[in-house]
Amino acid sequence: QSVLTQPPSASGTPGQRVSISCSGSSSNIGSNPVNWYQHLPGTAPKLLIYSNNQRSSGVPDRFSGAKSGASASLAISGLQSEDEADYYCATWADSLNGWVFGGGTKLTVL
Amino acid sequence: EVQLVESGGGLVKPGGSLRLSCAASGFAFGSFSMNWVRQAPGKGLEWVSTITSRSTYIYYADSVKGRFTISRDNPKNSLFLHMNSLRAEDTAVYYCARTAGVGQGMDVWGQGTTVTVSS
Repeated sequence: QSVLTQPPSASGTPGQRVSISCSGSSSNIGSNPVNWYQHLPGTAPKLLIYSNNQRSSGVPDRFSGAKSGASASLAISGLQSEDEADYYCATWADSLNGWVFGGGTKLTVL
Repeated sequence: EVQLVESGGGLVKPGGSLRLSCAASGFAFGSFSMNWVRQAPGKGLEWVSTITSRSTYIYYADSVKGRFTISRDNPKNSLFLHMNSLRAEDTAVYYCARTAGVGQGMDVWGQGTTVTVSS
């Protein structure tokens, strides 16, 4: 069981907006920046969002991140078929002295 | 081109050992913290270990503490993961990844190397 909680799945149709939540605690998300990764099977994970809401180089502005207290979220607007992938939140956990990842959310574009 | 290339994966029996390597190129390797992250079959990403730029600080996940050792050779732009007492649950694709900066996440990843622990 992951320290950070994400829904196992999410879905939307092309053009829609979807949001993926990530819930943690005061010792991880509550006190450290959150990063979001996109992962397609068989490929290297890709950093999408860092420091809660900063887009990584080359990431379209359809992707946005937010954080409030011990929770964070990733929003994808104007959904495209190429967005179908697994998405992970991650942050540093002070109590564990290490990075923690969410369990991942599989996004399906219907 | 900024690049990380892992090697050293393979099939090993339970209780065995393996050393993974990660060759870095295209950036000042010695200026960045580095990480190992793994993904077991059908599972999500799991952080394994982190080493700071000058090896001053080293961190391990509880699941590998005492069995795995991370190290680096900055002049040779290389990162290593020495894995001992391997278990079936260590079977995974192992990725090396660069930490961009404080609070900035892992911005460069390798393609991964597969470790299979089975008798």
